[in-house]
Amino acid sequence: GAVVSQHPSRVICKSGTSVKIECRSLDFQATTMFWYRQFPKQSLMLMATSNEGSKATYEQGVEKDKFLINHASLTLSTLTVTSAHPEDSSFYICSAYGEYEQYFGPGTRLTVT
Amino acid sequence: GNSVTQMEGPVTLSEEAFLTINCTYTATGYPSLFWYVQYPGEGLQLLLKATKADDKGSNKGFEATYRKETTSFHLEKGSVQVSDSAVYFCALSFPNAGGTSYGKLTFGQGTILTVHP
Repeated sequence: GAVVSQHPSRVICKSGTSVKIECRSLDFQATTMFWYRQFPKQSLMLMATSNEGSKATYEQGVEKDKFLINHASLTLSTLTVTSAHPEDSSFYICSAYGEYEQYFGPGTRLTVT
Repeated sequence: GNSVTQMEGPVTLSEEAFLTINCTYTATGYPSLFWYVQYPGEGLQLLLKATKADDKGSNKGFEATYRKETTSFHLEKGSVQVSDSAVYFCALSFPNAGGTSYGKLTFGQGTILTVHP
């Protein structure tokens, strides 16, 4: 099946710094990618829909200036957490539509100290 | 708005036991329904899906039937294995206008399943 990768798998950063997470579709082109956030023992919450060549669509309550999304090519979307704070610590997951199915990346564990 | 509710976990079973994980949904219209599985350290994988009422999705011994009258999509397996230990997510989505893809997924809270030998 189709593969979606994320990099890095884990990252620790200091409060106030920015962190970039990459999401790649390895063997298919994805015009649309999704970014989710998963808290411990909770469900996945959709943050935004990333569209290649256009601005991302953010869900209500998600700060677009804090969570910058860039979908520069058909195989790459990036999520940048700007001026990170400890409350941004979470598990971030991306997904992309292949043929008729949504494929998920393995996730990135962000810890802000 | 749309929502998905799963039974509270965690669920702990012995190998070869029968599994049921309840899932109900609230939606405007008739969504497609999905079960995803997340094995330790891995991303979510589609386990099965059903696109219309009375459809039964099945895969790897798991089954779920789309029940419109009860707005449910319960996951069942007759005999679980240790390798089934994972987190299971029920989700819904609506297809796009052409029916070739789906919009965003709405997930339930996930149910942790642990199967002991």
